[in-house]
Amino acid sequence: QKEVEQNSGPLSVPEGAIASLNCTYSDRGSQSFFWYRQYSGKSPELIMFIYSNGDKEDGRFTAQLNKASQYVSLLIRDSQPSDSATYLCAVKQSSASKIIFGSGTRLSIRP
Amino acid sequence: GAVVSQHPSRVICKSGTSVKIECRSLDFQATTMFWYRQFPKQSLMLMATSNEGSKATYEQGVEKDKFLINHASLTLSTLTVTSAHPEDSSFYICSASRGGYNEQFFGPGTRLTVL
Repeated sequence: QKEVEQNSGPLSVPEGAIASLNCTYSDRGSQSFFWYRQYSGKSPELIMFIYSNGDKEDGRFTAQLNKASQYVSLLIRDSQPSDSATYLCAVKQSSASKIIFGSGTRLSIRP
Repeated sequence: GAVVSQHPSRVICKSGTSVKIECRSLDFQATTMFWYRQFPKQSLMLMATSNEGSKATYEQGVEKDKFLINHASLTLSTLTVTSAHPEDSSFYICSASRGGYNEQFFGPGTRLTVL
């Protein structure tokens, strides 16, 4: 079992709709959770981080964390074509310095 | 804030030569820096973790004698690909984190092509 699992996609969502990206992780000791966006040919860019159970909102983005289910999600409201990218879920244990990345979900927003 | 730069952005070299890539944190002190490699359409692969002033910790399967990492200051880390071969052609990305914070901030990456 991979430490951080994501559906590779592609996930196709119509413009203006809500895109829902999901991620599960295997280590119950994980404390910090991140979502990065990576455009083709570019390096990852941090979108959001979440540490506590529940929802965290930032503009059109909402991160959701459920530690009991070991599940993290990212919702993108009012999806735009510019949101088309690969979204990487990342998880960090409290004792470790490195972050474990999932393989990413490719999101495509169709006009 | 939290800007990381990399230089060069792109390099083409002949097989057998060595290439040095610089990673700098521009507006913060990076207690830890990370080096990743990414092949086309594949996920990020962590190569090594380095803390300022100490030896880098390499991931399993990464040759430390081939990929030399130096983290000489709190704002600079370098990756040297020694005796590069065509199979080393890849997108090399560094990231940095600040002391007391969990987030990593990525540099723009260096695209290495070995002929």
